[in-house]
Amino acid sequence: GESVGLHLPTLSVQEGDNSIINCAYSNSASDYFIWYKQESGKGPQFIIDIRSNMDKRQGQRVTVLLNKTVKHLSLQIAATQPGDSAVYFCAENRGAGGSYIPTFGRGTSLIVHP
Amino acid sequence: GAGVSQSPSNKVTEKGKDVELRCDPISGHTALYWYRQRLGQGLEFLIYFQGNSAPDKSGLPSDRFSAERTGESVSTLTIQRTQQEDSAVYLCASSLVGLEQFFGPGTRLTVL
Repeated sequence: GESVGLHLPTLSVQEGDNSIINCAYSNSASDYFIWYKQESGKGPQFIIDIRSNMDKRQGQRVTVLLNKTVKHLSLQIAATQPGDSAVYFCAENRGAGGSYIPTFGRGTSLIVHP
Repeated sequence: GAGVSQSPSNKVTEKGKDVELRCDPISGHTALYWYRQRLGQGLEFLIYFQGNSAPDKSGLPSDRFSAERTGESVSTLTIQRTQQEDSAVYLCASSLVGLEQFFGPGTRLTVL
């Protein structure tokens, strides 16, 4: 969902559940999308990416879905573990003359309860 | 292998002072980005360097902010006459063009 003020959207799940984190992007010209995970006190880390010529890509325990019609991106985490607790950001990239400057979403805080 | 490093990890300064933050990107990465992240917020793009091209400074919030990069190596972000609203974590990332970014651990700046 949308964040209000300083509060990030939060998703709370039980260990072992599947998690789905959603992201709406803004630029229909964006052609490359990335999900990052940011643990407390650290910089974001790459999780998975997808290009605009695909609608689904799978990694280890993670799947990214892209719906270009409604400009929506989602990250699915299977069998969520406590170590998955972090803030997750989506990023959209637009190639403009070879310059890739990503736009990051607000972020979603995932809390996994053991 | 070595990732992106940033220094200092923490910086406390007084309002009105200048600060300089350093980023060492991954060797061979031609693209380098600076972001600002306020507490509980997303990443705010500041500046982008790509090879020898002129940097994209479109995200710099004011003329108190500037950044330099020496070739395809070290970059410094300078904030002059710091204000309390400059307090944030400053993140640096590097990448090969068009691919995922690798982020450093950030510099936490506190302006008193």
